[in-house]
Amino acid sequence: DIVMTQSPDSLAVSLGERATIHCKSSQSVFSSSNNNNYVGWYQQKAGQPPKLLIYWALFREPGVPDRFNGSGSGTDFTLTISSLQAEDVAVYYCQQYYGTPFTFGPGTKVDIK
Amino acid sequence: EMQLVQSGAVVKKPGESLKISCQGSGYTFTSYWIGWVRQLPGKGLEWMGIIYPGYADARYSPSFQGQVTISADKSINTAYLQWSSLKASDTAMYYCAKHRSPAPGLSEIFDLWGQGTMVTVSS
Repeated sequence: DIVMTQSPDSLAVSLGERATIHCKSSQSVFSSSNNNNYVGWYQQKAGQPPKLLIYWALFREPGVPDRFNGSGSGTDFTLTISSLQAEDVAVYYCQQYYGTPFTFGPGTKVDIK
Repeated sequence: EMQLVQSGAVVKKPGESLKISCQGSGYTFTSYWIGWVRQLPGKGLEWMGIIYPGYADARYSPSFQGQVTISADKSINTAYLQWSSLKASDTAMYYCAKHRSPAPGLSEIFDLWGQGTMVTVSS
């Protein structure tokens, strides 16, 4: 199985400041056949199902605010919230879909400082 | 509007069987892989497996293979997750979710999630 790790486990950021979450895969999830990285990011607010934010490591799902940005390639990926808003308090998960089982990272909890 | 609507919360005893459901609407159900994800209380997300309703082709995580059965009835746009003998350790929230792009590609991310079904197993 491909193991996904995330750092930090949690972080607290002031409103309007940047939040950065890292995700690392145990093997490359890049495909040269389509030049895509098979990684996505979800946001899960308390008591709700996860919501897709980013797919193919970079692409924002329609309707997702442009303060959410994904980057990275190969084994190292980052989700950046450029200006944290109160409604962004949640747990964020990365997931690889390069090979089954399509494993998730352990999650990063984001709070307001 | 695309939706996945899951069956309601259940309380079962250890050793009992259970089948929970996930009904899709607003899209071509048979064209998209649909999967199941477990979330233990206060914990993270675990990918259990997926099924392609068009052909009833199911794939499982090794962690869940033999522990659960994933099936689908395309005539009623519904996917299922079932247990033959529940354990207390199966107590969790279970989500269904569909792939973002249609088959045949297997490697895809989930773009639409059900509301979740809480399964409690207690004597």
